[in-house]
Amino acid sequence: AQSVAQPEDQVNVAEGNPLTVKCTYSVSGNPYLFWYVQYPNRGLQFLLKYITGDNLVKGSYGFEAEFNKSQTSFHLKKPSALVSDSALYFCAVSPFSGGYQKVTFGTGTKLQVIP
Amino acid sequence: SAVISQKPSRDICQRGTSLTIQCQVDSQVTMMFWYRQQPGQSLTLIATANQGSEATYESGFVIDKFPISRPNLTFSTLTVSNMSPEDSSIYLCSVGTVYGYTFGSGTRLTVV
Repeated sequence: AQSVAQPEDQVNVAEGNPLTVKCTYSVSGNPYLFWYVQYPNRGLQFLLKYITGDNLVKGSYGFEAEFNKSQTSFHLKKPSALVSDSALYFCAVSPFSGGYQKVTFGTGTKLQVIP
Repeated sequence: SAVISQKPSRDICQRGTSLTIQCQVDSQVTMMFWYRQQPGQSLTLIATANQGSEATYESGFVIDKFPISRPNLTFSTLTVSNMSPEDSSIYLCSVGTVYGYTFGSGTRLTVV
């Protein structure tokens, strides 16, 4: 069975500092990895995805994520945090086997950017 | 990527009643997914809905409680039946596209 772990319930970072939100996964075969952001009273917004290719994936709003196969990790990063980045972030995985597969979400990490 | 219109955005319902949530997609999609996000929790897949066939439900979810319709390639509904306070959650629909999985804005349901 596939799974996602987000070990930190909350990450606090000062505005302007780099941020990292951690994610590790488990899936049979090659992974299809995602990061989503959820603002209060809003749905999920897609940030970025990894299928194949370059291990460093760039996404929306200046976010990027690094795929590490040996560590089965897909950490979300941003060089300089903004207060407006404060939100709930979800990592997700599905098996990459063609077609649309079941997506499993992590428990979410609340990012708090402190002015 | 696909744009999903989901409604209602929120509702407060009496226990024992039913609520139908609608999702309209601006393009034809093969599969639509329905998720539940309980307060402070992650997303849990309820079922996968293909047009022209019965929805496939995940463990712990049954058709009698969460009937789904998928009459065409751009529309689906999820009904939450015989509601109890435990059904208070955010319900989201999702579709898969070449860009990834896109989500509706969610329906925040409170059962009183």
